[in-house]
Amino acid sequence: GQQVMQIPQYQHVQEGEDFTTYCNSSTTLSNIQWYKQRPGGHPVFLIQLVKSGEVKKQKRLTFQFGEAKKNSSLHITATQTTDVGTYFCAGLNDMRFGAGTRLTVKP
Amino acid sequence: DTAVSQTPKYLVTQMGNDKSIKCEQNLGHDTMYWYKQDSKKFLKIMFSYNNKELIINETVPNRFSPKSPDKAHLNLHINSLELGDSAVYFCASSQATGWNTIYFGEGSWLTVV
Repeated sequence: GQQVMQIPQYQHVQEGEDFTTYCNSSTTLSNIQWYKQRPGGHPVFLIQLVKSGEVKKQKRLTFQFGEAKKNSSLHITATQTTDVGTYFCAGLNDMRFGAGTRLTVKP
Repeated sequence: DTAVSQTPKYLVTQMGNDKSIKCEQNLGHDTMYWYKQDSKKFLKIMFSYNNKELIINETVPNRFSPKSPDKAHLNLHINSLELGDSAVYFCASSQATGWNTIYFGEGSWLTVV
């Protein structure tokens, strides 16, 4: 099956700093989804990207899908303590998730 | 009302025991899943059922046996539990396979001692 690689594995930022996590696939993805899992919680859907080069925004979060549909990124502007958690990308050709990026935010 | 509910939430058991985790979804979805999340947070798919039929069966020991009595339920039975089975098990569902949003249950924390 497809391999979806996600980096970095961990990211620690000061509150107010920006944060970016990247997702890369060895094969072309039909679509990609992003999920957030708060500590002790369960993954919750954030967004789905379908089109090549697509960019979507949700308040301070910006999601991008690469032109070749093999990579994606999630960027958070001016992080807040509420952003703490693990962010997963999922290439849903076969329901596989990336390894996740665990974000911690120091107040 | 919880969309995807699984029980028990916490389970501590001894090696060698057999245990089951139950899952129910009230979203009317056709597809259900079991995922295993280890201590490093890797979220690995184990099984997927679509309308009670098994469609994904990853490389999982045959001590793990899913059962779907109807499309709203997907239970997971584990025989002869081992220490390495300790993890959080998430049940999930989606309207169909492929492009649909996956809705996760709250997880079942299994500890094998």
